[in-house]
Amino acid sequence: NAGVTQTPKFQVLKTGQSMTLQCAQDMNHNSMYWYRQDPGMGLRLIYYSASEGTTDKGEVPNGYNVSRLNKREFSLRLESAAPSQTSVYFCASSVSSGISEQYFGPGTRLTVT
Amino acid sequence: DQQVKQNSPSLSVQEGRISILNCDYTNSMFDYFLWYKKYPAEGPTFLISISSIKDKNEDGRFTVFLNKSAKHLSLHIVPSQPGDSAVYFCAASAKGGATNKLIFGTGTLLAVQP
Repeated sequence: NAGVTQTPKFQVLKTGQSMTLQCAQDMNHNSMYWYRQDPGMGLRLIYYSASEGTTDKGEVPNGYNVSRLNKREFSLRLESAAPSQTSVYFCASSVSSGISEQYFGPGTRLTVT
Repeated sequence: DQQVKQNSPSLSVQEGRISILNCDYTNSMFDYFLWYKKYPAEGPTFLISISSIKDKNEDGRFTVFLNKSAKHLSLHIVPSQPGDSAVYFCAASAKGGATNKLIFGTGTLLAVQP
């Protein structure tokens, strides 16, 4: 039981390049989330998926797109990376979209030069 | 507009003593609160939570207290152990929303000295 896994762990991109961050969970959770963590800012919600087939914007969605591929997988895409997207990205999942604890993956450290 | 505030960026405590981490919130719609612990290069892990219908929740060495009138919650760790050294995030959620969207504080780095 791996919980929430994320790939890659580290990535360096040049401005304008694109990439997809992958996330998978094996806990049969319905809801999944993408956050970014910046120094002094805490974690901020980028996008979430309350259930398979649905996605919605969070607090900081600009510059990102997401795909809920199936119940297990939720990917985050940067179409044209910018230095402001340098951050640590965390994927999380929860049993349902109601009030419940979220379980986090280990994170992806992304640097955009 | 920081809806969840952790005003102490860091805290240092001696092993065996009590650690008290504080969190304030401004949104009166928040009715569920969580504490997460984060080690370097790892994702946050859930520690303890409390619903607004309670004023205290205890789990082993960890106790969370909620003061709704003051919009304040605190996490007590007693006794503190060196393995507790980590960043602690407070988070809040509003039941009125359709989805469990957590609003996080900026975190407090706890250092427990042996």
